[in-house]
Amino acid sequence: EPEVTQTPSHQVTQMGQEVILRCVPISNHLYFYWYRQILGQKVEFLVSFYNNEISEKSEIFDDQFSVERPDGSNFTLKIRSTKLEDSAMYFCASSGLRDRMNTEAFFGQGTRLTVV
Amino acid sequence: QQPVQSPQAVILREGEDAVINCSSSKALYSVHWYRQKHGEAPVFLMILLKGGEQKGHEKISASFNEKKQQSSLYLTASQLSYSGTYFCGTLERDNAGNMLTFGGGTRLMVKP
Repeated sequence: EPEVTQTPSHQVTQMGQEVILRCVPISNHLYFYWYRQILGQKVEFLVSFYNNEISEKSEIFDDQFSVERPDGSNFTLKIRSTKLEDSAMYFCASSGLRDRMNTEAFFGQGTRLTVV
Repeated sequence: QQPVQSPQAVILREGEDAVINCSSSKALYSVHWYRQKHGEAPVFLMILLKGGEQKGHEKISASFNEKKQQSSLYLTASQLSYSGTYFCGTLERDNAGNMLTFGGGTRLMVKP
């Protein structure tokens, strides 16, 4: 069964450092997302990406964040200068088949980011 | 706008039923239900698109009211495997972004 894969599973970084979280969405999906979940809290939307550009972003997704789809398979989230409060589980998701709107989002297993 | 989920937590005995509610202040395009087990990714359960819709199966089903502002998830004759946190995700409009906004979650614990 196709799945969304994320690497690394766990990333520890020092405050102020840049991190790149990587995702390989399901190959025939059209929409890609990043969500984050602070420990014990709800899943929060960060950004959605469609047709090679950002379609929606939340207030959390400020200038320190950027996304890229550098090739046909990878989808990355970059945090330029990490802060302690960026520590969270980051989930990548993908959805949307060409001939069906509003299909379910499939989530990757997440990258646990710890900023020290 | 974030949907409101209730209750925040439920403890059940195996075999008991539960209802989890998800409400929005305005009409929604769709509601998605997910279950997340501790330390794992959310797993899709179902989508509701039409007002008045009910879907699912005997054990886990959901409804969407006519005004498309409230959805309920019904867990019948609960099993231990139902334990986890349930999130509703809502779409406010049919846009290309598909910005799914999640509620705060309902933590369900099923005990033997």
